[in-house]
Amino acid sequence: AQSVAQPEDQVNVAEGNPLTVKCTYSVSGNPYLFWYVQYPNRGLQFLLKYITGDNLVKGSYGFEAEFNKSQTSFHLKKPSALVSDSALYFCAVRAPNYGGATNKLIFGTGTLLAVQP
Amino acid sequence: DAGITQSPRHKVTETGTPVTLRCHQTENHRYMYWYRQDPGHGLRLIHYSYGVKDTDKGEVSDGYSVSRSKTEDFLLTLESATSSQTSVYFCAISPAGSNQPQHFGDGTRLSIL
Repeated sequence: AQSVAQPEDQVNVAEGNPLTVKCTYSVSGNPYLFWYVQYPNRGLQFLLKYITGDNLVKGSYGFEAEFNKSQTSFHLKKPSALVSDSALYFCAVRAPNYGGATNKLIFGTGTLLAVQP
Repeated sequence: DAGITQSPRHKVTETGTPVTLRCHQTENHRYMYWYRQDPGHGLRLIHYSYGVKDTDKGEVSDGYSVSRSKTEDFLLTLESATSSQTSVYFCAISPAGSNQPQHFGDGTRLSIL
């Protein structure tokens, strides 16, 4: 079965420190991977995606993510955290044989990022 | 933000009543989706549409129906609401193309008493 795991319910980091939010996936075939951020009382906002090519992808607000095929991971990173980065982060995956042209996604359960001043 | 409007934004209703949530897009995207968000479950797909009058079930479709009579509108109906359907509901849209992300509305908070 296709699945996405975000092993940490919450990540705490001090402002200015680097941050990592973890994501692992289990799909057959080559995955398409996405990160979204959700602020309180808002919908999910698209941050970045990996489709193919360079394993390090850059996205909005200074975030980047590293695709690791051997570890089936797609961790979200940022070199220097801001208090305003505090939000709920979701990893999502689309497998070639799940959703196909309908672009259906499987979401992780989310990780709450708390950045302390 | 993508042109997605969900209405109403908040609703409180009683068990057994019918409820319809509306999603309206101005992007002319082909695909539309309804999700529910619950603590510990992330987002779960209820129904989706791949064109006018073309819809299909997601992973948690029981108790829900949908309709799409125009490209821009996707309606989610709870025929007889139950307390287990208390949740935050999100609509999303996506253009054609398998590498395209989905874009989300700001959600409807539905409470069923």
